Amino acid sequence: KNQVEQSPQSLIILEGKNCTLQCNYTVSPFSNLRWYKQDTGRGPVSLTIMTFSENTKSNGRYTATLDADTKQSSLHITASQLSDSASYICVVSAVGAAGNKLTFGGGTRVLVKP
Amino acid sequence: NAGVTQTPKFRILKIGQSMTLQCTQDMNHNYMYWYRQDPGMGLKLIYYSVGAGITDKGEVPNGYNVSRSTTEDFPLRLELAAPSQTSVYFCASSYLQNLPGELFFGEGSRLTVL
Repeated sequence: KNQVEQSPQSLIILEGKNCTLQCNYTVSPFSNLRWYKQDTGRGPVSLTIMTFSENTKSNGRYTATLDADTKQSSLHITASQLSDSASYICVVSAVGAAGNKLTFGGGTRVLVKP
Repeated sequence: NAGVTQTPKFRILKIGQSMTLQCTQDMNHNYMYWYRQDPGMGLKLIYYSVGAGITDKGEVPNGYNVSRSTTEDFPLRLELAAPSQTSVYFCASSYLQNLPGELFFGEGSRLTVL
């Protein structure tokens, strides 16, 4: 069964500090992995996409890594800002006969305090 | 572009009542989806559509129905509401499914069944 596990479930960091979120998956056959940011009361918005051949990808202060061998991804937030307070969702896509099938992680809730 | 628009944002239903969640997108996307998000859990796919006139079940379709008469609209119907359907519902759309397509989400509809 395809699964996506995220850790930690939640974390609190001080403004300006860095943090790293983890995503472990057992999705096969792997197509791609996306990180979404979900602000409170809003829908998720895509931050990055990682395909099989990519190890690192940055989007501003967000840097995602992918280790396809160990089936792990991380999202690193540098110099956190109050606006980074949100849930971050890891979504892994598996190749299927009827198109890609998505499996969502439960998310990591990040709270940035001043 | 408004993107994906969902209505209503909030609704309280009594057990056994019926209602329709509306979803409209103005991006001319072929693919549309309905997800539900329960606290601490990953989004679960209820129904999806690959184009006007074509719909298919996702992981958790029981108690729901959909229709897709136009490219733009993808309403979700709840018949005989039950407390287990208390959740936040997200409509999403994408242009490509078989390639790394990004999902564009609406802002969600919070439904409480009492």
